[in-house]
Amino acid sequence: EVQLVESGGGLVQPGGSLRLSCAASGFTFSSYSMNWVRQAPGKGLEWVSYISSSSSTIYYADSVKGRFTISRDNAKNSLYLQMNSLRDEDTAVYYCAREQDYGSGLQAFDIWGQGTMVTVSS
Amino acid sequence: DIQMTQSPSTLSASVGDRVTITCRASQSISSWLAWYQQKPGKAPKLLIYKASSLESGVPSRFSGSGSGTEFTLTISSLQPDDFATYYCQQYNSYTWTFGQGTKVEIK
Repeated sequence: EVQLVESGGGLVQPGGSLRLSCAASGFTFSSYSMNWVRQAPGKGLEWVSYISSSSSTIYYADSVKGRFTISRDNAKNSLYLQMNSLRDEDTAVYYCAREQDYGSGLQAFDIWGQGTMVTVSS
Repeated sequence: DIQMTQSPSTLSASVGDRVTITCRASQSISSWLAWYQQKPGKAPKLLIYKASSLESGVPSRFSGSGSGTEFTLTISSLQPDDFATYYCQQYNSYTWTFGQGTKVEIK
């Protein structure tokens, strides 16, 4: 079964750090680009970060640039998000999502994890 | 940055109704648009990619159309399992942007 499972969420104080993990199974992880998407309580979806299959290309949303770092370990079938200098507005459910390439540069997120909750509060 | 605007924000409908949700981009995105369904407490689910291509396993009552700046998601005959929130998503210039969502409620 194709599956993504996030972990590492929790309660952290403003200014603190947290590292999220996403374990992939059921597919060749090293062949796919991956993303992190978050959703604040009662709000819509916000794309956070992208990493290519080989880690050669990385993008961030402006809201997290300079504070968050995406990485992956293809040998461990795992995706990570290191979050530093956390703010109240980073409180959200964080999802990892597999990016499917449908050709001609057209992509969509076809597999999602169940999400992990990050709460930033004093 | 490209902005995505969905309408309506909330839609009340009955089982069997034909439902249409619109997504407008602030500039042309060709066919770089996807649609997702999300139920409370669950992860989003991909319905449509490349504006009009149905993801494998998604019922044929879902369809997408449009290109450029205006796109629609249509549910031909609303089923009880379809009451959820729907999001459009675009990819352009190394960023992915979601619309604000459309909640489909029971009338």
